[in-house]
Amino acid sequence: AQTVTQSQPEMSVQEAETVTLSCTYDTSESDYYLFWYKQPPSRQMILVIRQEAYKQQNATENRFSVNFQKAAKSFSLKISDSQLGDAAMYFCAYRSRGYGGSQGNLIFGKGTKLSVKP
Amino acid sequence: KAGVTQTPRYLIKTRGQQVTLSCSPISGHRSVSWYQQTPGQGLQFLFEYFSETQRNKGNFPGRFSGRQFSNSRSEMNVSTLELGDSALYLCASSRWDRSYGYTFGSGTRLTVV
Repeated sequence: AQTVTQSQPEMSVQEAETVTLSCTYDTSESDYYLFWYKQPPSRQMILVIRQEAYKQQNATENRFSVNFQKAAKSFSLKISDSQLGDAAMYFCAYRSRGYGGSQGNLIFGKGTKLSVKP
Repeated sequence: KAGVTQTPRYLIKTRGQQVTLSCSPISGHRSVSWYQQTPGQGLQFLFEYFSETQRNKGNFPGRFSGRQFSNSRSEMNVSTLELGDSALYLCASSRWDRSYGYTFGSGTRLTVV
């Protein structure tokens, strides 16, 4: 079974600085998707960035970028120019590319609580 | 474009009762998934529906059930509520192939007393 591990329960960053959140996963599959979701106090999970395992190029969305190391099974999120609105829980998630059985659902890490200091 | 709508936002129920939660997906999304979020267990997959059929199911007891209607709206039901069922229940919708990820609703906070 696949697992996702986020080893940093809490992180703090100064406004305008850069912070990196870590995520490792375990899988025997070669094709899958990885996601970072943000959950602010409003509770809604918001998709931050998405990475397809077969693409070697790291995904980027504005101030958010990932460092995807497939061999190391590592998928870290870098937030540049941190803003107060970035404060939230961040969840790393894995999804198999297949459709059968229990595939297709998201498997989440425990999350990292990010605080942004003004 | 309207997002994923979950109702109600908050719910308080007594142990032993049953509860029904509702989820309206984004227009055009035919896949609806449900997740339970608790401080101890984190986010856990309950089940997924596609075209009114359960496509995947997580490891939850039979007290947890769901269904999907022809308009893709989904409901989940929990019977014989236990204190441990207190959680945030999140609904997520996606395209049929889920390749672009899921769009989540704001959840229903269920408290069992």
